[in-house]
Amino acid sequence: ETGVTQSPTHLIKTRGQQVTLRCSSQSGHNTVSWYQQALGQGPQFIFQYYREEENGRGNFPPRFSGLQFPNYSSELNVNALELDDSALYLCASSLINSNQPQHFGDGTRLSIL
Amino acid sequence: DQQVKQNSPSLSVQEGRISILNCDYTNSMFDYFLWYKKYPAEGPTFLISISSIKDKNEDGRFTVFLNKSAKHLSLHIVPSQPGDSAVYFCAARHDNNAGNMLTFGGGTRLMVKP
Repeated sequence: ETGVTQSPTHLIKTRGQQVTLRCSSQSGHNTVSWYQQALGQGPQFIFQYYREEENGRGNFPPRFSGLQFPNYSSELNVNALELDDSALYLCASSLINSNQPQHFGDGTRLSIL
Repeated sequence: DQQVKQNSPSLSVQEGRISILNCDYTNSMFDYFLWYKKYPAEGPTFLISISSIKDKNEDGRFTVFLNKSAKHLSLHIVPSQPGDSAVYFCAARHDNNAGNMLTFGGGTRLMVKP
């Protein structure tokens, strides 16, 4: 069973730039959720994708957007990067409408200079 | 508005003793609760969960208790081991249009001393 994998592991960008983070879901899972974890805080829900469409969104501005592909992998795109976007970005996969827990990848550490 | 709170940022326990990690929530629509453990440079790992229709769930050394009237849950680890040293996150979920999104607490860093 292949777990959730994320790339890259680390990334450094400057303010105003755009970034794309990638996630491969665990085999057998059909939803992907993205979370932002700022230093010293718990993960905050950004959005979830199911059937290649957004299936729920947290309190994040539109410059945070995503995609899901037919193989259930996903991308998180952030435009016009701000200093406060510096965080660990976590991807989690699960099976829709299941009580099985979400499985997380190891995250991408994004630093904005 | 923080709907899930872990009021103790850190906890230190001697090896072999019990560790008790606490979590409070405010949203009465939450119907499923989970605990995740996180080591540095790794993603959160699922530990144990409990449905709102139960008040206790046990898995080996780990037991989660849920008090719905108080909107409080706790994770008991007994006996604690040095390998349990990690950050523990409480998370809650409710069935809504956002699928199974999780609302996390801020985490408690557990240190188990040999």
